Amino acid sequence: KQEVTQIPAALSVPEGENLVLNCSFTDSAIYNLQWFRQDPGKGLTSLLLIQSSQREQTSGRLNASLDKSSGRSTLYIAASQPGDSATYLCAVRIYNTDKLIFGTGTRLQVFP
Amino acid sequence: ETGVTQSPTHLIKTRGQQVTLRCSSQSGHNTVSWYQQALGQGPQFIFQYYREEENGRGNFPPRFSGLQFPNYSSELNVNALELDDSALYLCASSSSPGPLSYNEQFFGPGTRLTVL
Repeated sequence: KQEVTQIPAALSVPEGENLVLNCSFTDSAIYNLQWFRQDPGKGLTSLLLIQSSQREQTSGRLNASLDKSSGRSTLYIAASQPGDSATYLCAVRIYNTDKLIFGTGTRLQVFP
Repeated sequence: ETGVTQSPTHLIKTRGQQVTLRCSSQSGHNTVSWYQQALGQGPQFIFQYYREEENGRGNFPPRFSGLQFPNYSSELNVNALELDDSALYLCASSSSPGPLSYNEQFFGPGTRLTVL
C-alpha cells in the first residue's frame, strides 16, 4: 500500500530564506508526482508535475526534484516571501489507477 | 477558460440527513474525481467518473455515491450523514483520452461540510 509522508509538518522562516520541503513515498512504482499549494480553507493549486521519467521541474522560484528509486521528492523555494505562506502538499499517481495519493502536507509560514 | 467550480461553498447538516454537492468541470475536461479532506489531513480519494461511468473508487462506504452528467458536471451524494463526514470536499477535473490517462488534475475551491 502506497504511503506518502511529508517532513516537516510545519515550518516558520524569515522572508528571503531558501527552503526545502520533503516528500517521501513507500512504493517507487509511481507514474508521476505533483506538488500543490493550499491556502487555509481553500482548494488546491497545482504547482509542479513531475513525470516518473523526469528528475526535476522548475517554475519561477520553485524547483521540484524526484528520485524515484529512493522514494523521495523535494520542493525547493528560493527567496521565500510572506505570500508563500500556505500548506504544501505532494501527491503521487500510481500505475493502474487514476487517483492521487496525498501526504498530510507541510504548513509554511514566512514572516517579514 | 472557466476553472473548476463547486457549490455550495459551505453547508451545515445534522446527523442522518442526506447531502448533494455539485461540481462543474473545467471547459474541455471529461473526467471528474472527488476527494474528502478532513481537518489537518491530506485529501483522500472517494471516486472518479469518466464519461458518466464510475472509474475507480477509494475506501468509502456505499452511502457515498456520485453521478456525472453528459456535460461532464458531477454530483457527490452522501446519505445517512455521520459526524466524521465533516470535511472539505474537493472536486478535480482532467482531460482524458481514456479511463486511465494520468493527466494533470485541476481542483476546485471545495465545499466545506459540517455535520452536527
